[in-house]
Amino acid sequence: QKEVEQDPGPLSVPEGAIVSLNCTYSNSAFQYFMWYRQYSRKGPELLMYTYSSGNKEDGRFTAQVDKSSKYISLFIRDSQPSDSATYLCAMSANTGANSKLTFGKGITLSVRP
Amino acid sequence: SQTIHQWPATLVQPVGSPLSLECTVEGTSNPNLYWYRQAAGRGLQLLFYSVGIGQISSEVPQNLSASRPQDRQFILSSKKLLLSDSGFYLCAWSRDTYEQYFGPGTRLTVT
Repeated sequence: QKEVEQDPGPLSVPEGAIVSLNCTYSNSAFQYFMWYRQYSRKGPELLMYTYSSGNKEDGRFTAQVDKSSKYISLFIRDSQPSDSATYLCAMSANTGANSKLTFGKGITLSVRP
Repeated sequence: SQTIHQWPATLVQPVGSPLSLECTVEGTSNPNLYWYRQAAGRGLQLLFYSVGIGQISSEVPQNLSASRPQDRQFILSSKKLLLSDSGFYLCAWSRDTYEQYFGPGTRLTVT
């Protein structure tokens, strides 16, 4: 079993739809969780980060962590064509100088006008 | 604000040739620095990380090496490139937290 599993996609939705992107993980030591957005041929951009379980909201984006189920989600409300990108989940067991991120493989989202 | 630069943006090199990719960070001091490779369908693979000048940790034994000659400079090198070294190379930085911030990347094609 891989440490981090992410739905492979691709995912195509109409503009204005609510998008749910998900990752599951097997390492119960993970407690720091991140979502990155990567446009084609660009570096990943940190979108959301959160510690432990709970929800975090930033504009149209909500990150949700359920540590009991080892499941994290990113919700995008009122999706826009500019949200079309690859979304990567990442997680870490610790913080500080030697913290290492484990990434999902990413899911490509396309928002149709 | 902090900015991370990588160059070159794209590179086409023959098998057996040397490689040098550079990453610099502006606007912060003593960052933690990371080199990743992103290959299609394989996600992001951590290659090296550094917590200070001259301090390099290798995650994957391979044809590549890294150096950190200055506080905000991180270099990825190879003496002889292999076809399997092709990919998208990303540099990232962090403070003493868990969030990492990525550069624009270098797309390397080995022919």
